[in-house]
Parts: sequence; structure tokens; C-alpha cells
Amino acid sequence: QKEVEQDPGPLSVPEGAIVSLNCTYSNSAFQYFMWYRQYSRKGPELLMYTYSSGNKEDGRFTAQVDKSSKYISLFIRDSQPSDSATYLCAIQRGSNYKLTFGKGTLLTVNP
Amino acid sequence: DGGITQSPKYLFRKEGQNVTLSCEQNLNHDAMYWYRQDPGQGLRLIYYSQIVNDFQKGDIAEGYSVSREKKESFPLTVTSAQKNPTAFYLCASSIGGTNEKLFFGSGTQLSVL
Repeated sequence: QKEVEQDPGPLSVPEGAIVSLNCTYSNSAFQYFMWYRQYSRKGPELLMYTYSSGNKEDGRFTAQVDKSSKYISLFIRDSQPSDSATYLCAIQRGSNYKLTFGKGTLLTVNP
Repeated sequence: DGGITQSPKYLFRKEGQNVTLSCEQNLNHDAMYWYRQDPGQGLRLIYYSQIVNDFQKGDIAEGYSVSREKKESFPLTVTSAQKNPTAFYLCASSIGGTNEKLFFGSGTQLSVL
């Protein structure tokens, strides 16, 4: 079983839709959870970072972590064409320096 | 402006050739990383360095080499032993410690001629 699973999509939505992106992980030892956004042929940029179960909100973005189900989500409200990118989840055990990345979900928001 | 600079943006390798990808950061970060990204594969860790003059292998180090002689520089050499080098290479840095928020460069696309 892979450490982290992420549906690669692609996901296509109309402008203004609510987007839900998800990852599951296999090991309850993971403590830190991140979402990165990557525009085409660019480096990823950190979007959301959390280390506890529950929700964390930043503008139109909400990161949700359910440690009991080993499930993390990123919600985008009022999606915009500028949100079109690949979204990568990343998880970390905490005591070492290695992040484990999901394969990324390609999102397209159509005007 | 602080950030990570990768060069070149595009690189072509001939058969049997070693090529070196440059990565420089002015964020004063202790830790630096090299990732490889293939379509549909996500990011895979090649090498990382937590401190000057020290580095560790990641998940796919075979065919690659690195050096960390200066805090701000972490070049990656793709050797002729790497038989499938075509990929998008990303350099990243972080402050260090257990909160691993990575800052990425803009990447180098390496292709084989």
C-alpha cells in the first residue's frame, strides 16, 4: 500500500464552483499535512499547512484533516480560472526531513 | 528578493554525458533538496542536505551526485549512469527542523538528445 494516494484527475469545473481535492494516507504516524499548488512548468508553492485534525481556513481555501480516517482534503470556494493548476498533497512524519508527496490532481476552472 | 534560482531552465544531455544543474538560494535556509518530477509520478526525492558539507540519499539517488560546499548552493550532477534522465528537476530549501515547509525553485527540464 502506498503511503499517500491522490486521485490524479483531471478535474474540470465551471468558474464559481466549490472544488474538493482529497488524499488518503496509510500510516497514522504522519503528523504534518500540506497542500502545494503547482502551475504548469513551475515549482510548487505552499498553499496550506496543518498539523492537527480539523479545519484550517485561508481566504477561499480550507484544509481539512481527519486523522482517524487518514484522510485530508482541500476545498476551494468560488473557484477562479487562476486556480487552474496541479494540487499536490504532502505529508510528513515529523522527526525526519522527508516529505511524501501525492501524485497531484490537475484542476481546470473554466470561465 | 529572496528565493531559489535554478538554472538552466532547459538542458539537453547527450549519450554518455554528465550534466550539472545549478541551484542557489538566498533565503539563508539550512536544508536543501533535489526532487525529480515525471508525468503522473509526483515528486520523488533524489538527495537532500541539512547542513554544509553533508548530504543524504533520497529515494532515487542512483545515477545522481551532489555537493554542498556552500550554504546557498546545492548543485546536482546527472551522470551517464542515469539511464532515464528525462524529467523536470526541482530544487527546494527549508529552514530546517521538523516543520518542513519547502520553498521551490522554478525547475529545470532535462531532456536527452
